[in-house]
Order: sequence, then C-alpha cells, then structure tokens
Amino acid sequence: DQQVKQNSPSLSVQEGRISILNCDYTNSMFDYFLWYKKYPAEGPTFLISISSIKDKNEDGRFTVFLNKSAKHLSLHIVPSQPGDSAVYFCAASAGSNFGNEKLTFGTGTRLTIIP
Amino acid sequence: DGGITQSPKYLFRKEGQNVTLSCEQNLNHDAMYWYRQDPGQGLRLIYYSQIVNDFQKGDIAEGYSVSREKKESFPLTVTSAQKNPTAFYLCASSSKRPYNEQFFGPGTRLTVL
Repeated sequence: DQQVKQNSPSLSVQEGRISILNCDYTNSMFDYFLWYKKYPAEGPTFLISISSIKDKNEDGRFTVFLNKSAKHLSLHIVPSQPGDSAVYFCAASAGSNFGNEKLTFGTGTRLTIIP
Repeated sequence: DGGITQSPKYLFRKEGQNVTLSCEQNLNHDAMYWYRQDPGQGLRLIYYSQIVNDFQKGDIAEGYSVSREKKESFPLTVTSAQKNPTAFYLCASSSKRPYNEQFFGPGTRLTVL
C-alpha cells in the first residue's frame, strides 16, 4: 500500500524554465511533508518542507505547495539549473509535533535539466 | 565537522553470510534510522531507534537486526535470512524537535554474490 506516490518516474525540463514535481498521499494523518534531492550513490539531502498548517513554503528557487483537500503537494524549481538534475523524493510523516517521527517516502522522480 | 558516516562505501559478501553495516553520527541526534533503496523504488524503512537501547521495526524488518547501545551508533546486520540483500543501504538521524528533517549518511552499496 503506497501511501506516498510520485506518479512521474522522470521529467525533462529546459534550463531556465520551471520544473514542477508532483506528489500525492493517501494517509490523512500526515501532517509534515518534505522534499529530498538525491544524486546516484549518495545519501539524500533535505531541500524544503511544509507543515499541514501551511499551503506554501518558499526557499530561494524552491517552493512547495500543499493542497490538503486534494492530498497533493508539488515542488516548483525556478529557474531550473543543470545542477538540479537528480532524483527527487517526496516524504511525509504523521504526529510531527512530537518530533522524531518516521518518514514514508515516495518512489522518486528523476529530473533532467536540458542545457 | 558534524555528520553521519557509513562504512564501508561498497561491500561484497557471499550468499549465506551475515554482514554488519556501520552507521555513526556526531550530531547528538536522539533518533536513528535505516532505509533500503532498490532501483525504481523509494526508500523503505527497515528499523528505527528513537532512544538508546530501544528500537522498532520498520516496514521491511525481516532478515535484519539492529542494536543501539550508544547514542552515536546504530549498526545494521543483514542476516542470511534476508532473501534479497543486494541493495543500497542508507542511515539517517534526527533530533527530537517538532517538524524536523532527517539527515542522511552517504550510504553503503551491499552486493551479495
């Protein structure tokens, strides 16, 4: 039972344009959502997060949008740069106000930025 | 420099042998986690520990064992009972703060021949 889904395994975007990565979830108890970026043979690095009390969080070129009614979140990267080429994982947790809650990950989307 | 170290980077073992993967952190984090990544799949949780001398099974604990005798260390043993042990293994840690992210180590690629 995949509680966090990333339905697009891959995405190609021209350099300088906007990249939009999508994520859907089924567990209504999730209250904290994170995006990680991963290069091959390396550990994921944290990008940006959002709690369920917000609908948008922005950090530089990265913005995460949360639509709780649709159980959907998206990561926008603008402008896209060649160094953004990586696999992006969406993750979610429940009961996050207590801290140290386990994360449930999606299957990832491989983003390729075309120069 | 604070961080999470995993050793070795690459590990080869014969089928039927147990193998232990190391994970150490000097971030003073309370919680530690082990994940497995397979091609085309996300990260799946094997075991996690929120405090020393305590740990819980994740989604795919069968064939694995862990210990948490020290706050800094959370070794994972892949036993011969694990049917498909070849994978990329990732260790992570987090501090006990609300709405907090997990930090990951560089990973260990285990290949069972």
